Amino acid sequence: GDSVTQMEGPVTLSEEAFLTINCTYTATGYPSLFWYVQYPGEGLQLLLKATKADDKGSNKGFEATYRKETTSFHLEKGSVQVSDSAVYFCALSDRTGNQFYFGTGTSLTVIP
Amino acid sequence: EPEVTQTPSHQVTQMGQEVILRCVPISNHLYFYWYRQILGQKVEFLVSFYNNEISEKSEIFDDQFSVERPDGSNFTLKIRSTKLEDSAMYFCASRKLAGVSNEQFFGPGTRLTVL
Repeated sequence: GDSVTQMEGPVTLSEEAFLTINCTYTATGYPSLFWYVQYPGEGLQLLLKATKADDKGSNKGFEATYRKETTSFHLEKGSVQVSDSAVYFCALSDRTGNQFYFGTGTSLTVIP
Repeated sequence: EPEVTQTPSHQVTQMGQEVILRCVPISNHLYFYWYRQILGQKVEFLVSFYNNEISEKSEIFDDQFSVERPDGSNFTLKIRSTKLEDSAMYFCASRKLAGVSNEQFFGPGTRLTVL
């Protein structure tokens, strides 16, 4: 069945460091891929998405490219800030769009 | 900006008791969902709901679980007789349109603790 495997955390970085959080997926058909972020005490917020191969989603300096050949959707940011501290979830939407499959989440802490 | 809300934020209950978790989806959304996340594990799909009936459910969603949209705004998840292993964060989500690319909007979650 469909599934998402996400890099284990927690991750601690200094401010302005480069961030990569790895995400790979298994799916039948052509899923859409998402990154959600959860700030402390809040719900899951959509960070970015990509709906087909080679699409790049981007938002708030974060980027991820839908790579069908490697079944990956790695999240990157060139220079993290303290305010980026949160839990990041990779997810895919199945063919019907009715069910999301999530990774385990990666906790990121950025220190000044 | 409209958002999904959930109440309560934290629910503590005794094993065997019934609990009802409440959600108010975004008002013009048509598809509703419940997910759960056991501490340290993946966010897992429980059930989807459309047009006043369940459209999909996972293996987790057994006879102990039920969902209801009792009025035009609320969407509830009931667990009839809670077990220790039901302790988790429960997320409600809603979506406006069908289709693969349309994201789901999530609430802040309800943390359920079963003692």
